[in-house]
Amino acid sequence: SQTIHQWPATLVQPVGSPLSLECTVEGTSNPNLYWYRQAAGRGLQLLFYSVGIGQISSEVPQNLSASRPQDRQFILSSKKLLLSDSGFYLCAWGTSTDTQYFGPGTRLTVL
Amino acid sequence: AQSVAQPEDQVNVAEGNPLTVKCTYSVSGNPYLFWYVQYPNRGLQFLLKYITGDNLVKGSYGFEAEFNKSQTSFHLKKPSALVSDSALYFCAVRVLTGGGNKLTFGTGTQLKVEL
Repeated sequence: SQTIHQWPATLVQPVGSPLSLECTVEGTSNPNLYWYRQAAGRGLQLLFYSVGIGQISSEVPQNLSASRPQDRQFILSSKKLLLSDSGFYLCAWGTSTDTQYFGPGTRLTVL
Repeated sequence: AQSVAQPEDQVNVAEGNPLTVKCTYSVSGNPYLFWYVQYPNRGLQFLLKYITGDNLVKGSYGFEAEFNKSQTSFHLKKPSALVSDSALYFCAVRVLTGGGNKLTFGTGTQLKVEL
């Protein structure tokens, strides 16, 4: 069966510091991968998605970036965090029928 | 553009009563529709989806959803609510892209089931 991991689970970072969040998927090959942010409240904002190694589509201009160095690894990064980057970051993988399965999330607080 | 709307921010229901969480959609072509549930500080969990076929879709935890093409709706239902059903519910629709399809989510509906 497929599983999706995210780490860290929680992170507190100062403004201006770098960021690296990691997502890995097990039990499937060549999945579509997605990064979302859920700000306080509830809305889900799609940040990036990837259909293959090295292929990244950006949805919203911002100071975040994503990379996919391996088939089942998706990384979200920033060189300098802003206060507005605080939120709950969710990674998901997608099937051929477009169902997405989500990881447990990373709670990021930027102070 | 493909979109979904969840008109209720919150739904309150007594345990044992039937529940409905509403979702309407706007798509060009045939819709692929989804329901997800989120418990506090957790990722979203897939409940069910409609792609084609029977308008009544059965999913996890006793939930079902009814696809209504004429009303462009995809309401989530459960015959008898449990306190443990209290959570945030999201409706979503598939968005076709040139490569790699996406989901567009509604704003979410907070379900509160009380004793």
